Amino acid sequence: GDSVTQMEGPVTLSEEAFLTINCTYTATGYPSLFWYVQYPGEGLQLLLKATKADDKGSNKGFEATYRKETTSFHLEKGSVQVSDSAVYFCALSGVGNFNKFYFGSGTKLNVKP
Amino acid sequence: GAVVSQHPSRVICKSGTSVKIECRSLDFQATTMFWYRQFPKQSLMLMATSNEGSKATYEQGVEKDKFLINHASLTLSTLTVTSAHPEDSSFYICSARGSTRRYQETQYFGPGTRLLVL
Repeated sequence: GDSVTQMEGPVTLSEEAFLTINCTYTATGYPSLFWYVQYPGEGLQLLLKATKADDKGSNKGFEATYRKETTSFHLEKGSVQVSDSAVYFCALSGVGNFNKFYFGSGTKLNVKP
Repeated sequence: GAVVSQHPSRVICKSGTSVKIECRSLDFQATTMFWYRQFPKQSLMLMATSNEGSKATYEQGVEKDKFLINHASLTLSTLTVTSAHPEDSSFYICSARGSTRRYQETQYFGPGTRLLVL
């Protein structure tokens, strides 16, 4: 079945460091891929998405490219800030089925000043 | 746009009582709403999917008589935890999808409700 695997955390970085959070998926066809961010005590916020192969989603300095050949959707940011500290979830939705989301286990990011 | 609210944000109740959690889409019509449960340091677990005006579809292993879901309008869904017990303590998050193209291709999440059953 469909599933998402993301790197375990926590990831601890200094401010202005480069961030990569790995995400790989298993799915039939061409699912849509998402990154959500969850700040402490809050729900999930959509960070970015990509709906087809080679699409690049971007928002707030974060980027992720939909790689069909490696079934990956790694999240990157060139220079993290303390305010980026949160838990990041990779997710996919089935082909044409946005009612069924599969979430990764989440990766906690700690950014130190 | 695409704001989803939940109320209350935090609730503490005694074992055996029932608790109702509301989920509202504030600026779009949510034809489909979802209820998730999140345990500490874990991912989200889908509990049920509800379409406006029809019965909710529960995921395997979720007790429908314990977690009552009502989706009475295009902007409101409620989750009632009946006869709550300490093991029901968790973070409950709702999400919503709209019917128009703008709000259709993802789910928009509420801020969550922290339930503590004593």
